[in-house]
Amino acid sequence: EVQLVESGGGLVQPGGSLRLSCAASGFTFSNHWMHWVRQAPGKGLVWVSRINTDGSTTIYADSVKGRFTISRDNAKNTLFLQMNSLRAEDTAVYYCARSSRIGDDYWGQGTLVTVSS
Amino acid sequence: DIVMTQTPLSSPVTLGQPASISCRSSQSLVHSDGNTYLSWLQQRPGQPPRLLIYKISNRFSGVPDRFSGSGAGADFTLKISRVEAEDVGVYYCMQSTQFPQTFGQGTKVEIK
Repeated sequence: EVQLVESGGGLVQPGGSLRLSCAASGFTFSNHWMHWVRQAPGKGLVWVSRINTDGSTTIYADSVKGRFTISRDNAKNTLFLQMNSLRAEDTAVYYCARSSRIGDDYWGQGTLVTVSS
Repeated sequence: DIVMTQTPLSSPVTLGQPASISCRSSQSLVHSDGNTYLSWLQQRPGQPPRLLIYKISNRFSGVPDRFSGSGAGADFTLKISRVEAEDVGVYYCMQSTQFPQTFGQGTKVEIK
């Protein structure tokens, strides 16, 4: 069974940092591109970042470029999102999602990031 | 970026009756490989999104056959043939034909 389990969310002050993790199981992690998608409270889904299978290619939404870094550890089947210089508008549930030839087929349960003083 | 526009944004439905959601993209979603990467996601209250339909009309594993997708080019539809209580939630269309992937605003399906 494919499972994606996010962790690392919490309350952080503006300007602070957090590192999110997404532990993958039930599939060959190193064969799949992975995404982070976020959802602000009561709002829709917004793509944040994508990483290829070996981590050599990463790309970001303009809203997080230069502040967030996506990475992965294929030996530990884990995806990461390092978030720096956090702003109030980064408050959201962050989901990791597996990319396949049909689209984003599996999603984690999400982890809530709240940026507030 | 491709803009995805869903209508309606809210759909009150009687149990056992059909529901239909439209999704239009700001440009054609036909990829250079010939496929159209248009998906439908379901998000039940308090739950993460779940893939229902991929490449316009293909039901994902475990999705009941009361859900169907159709369309082509830039105009797509999700239909629920007979709404059940467990179908309550928000439905999103999503395109992954062109980077970055983008989502519709979501359509809330609720029981009358």
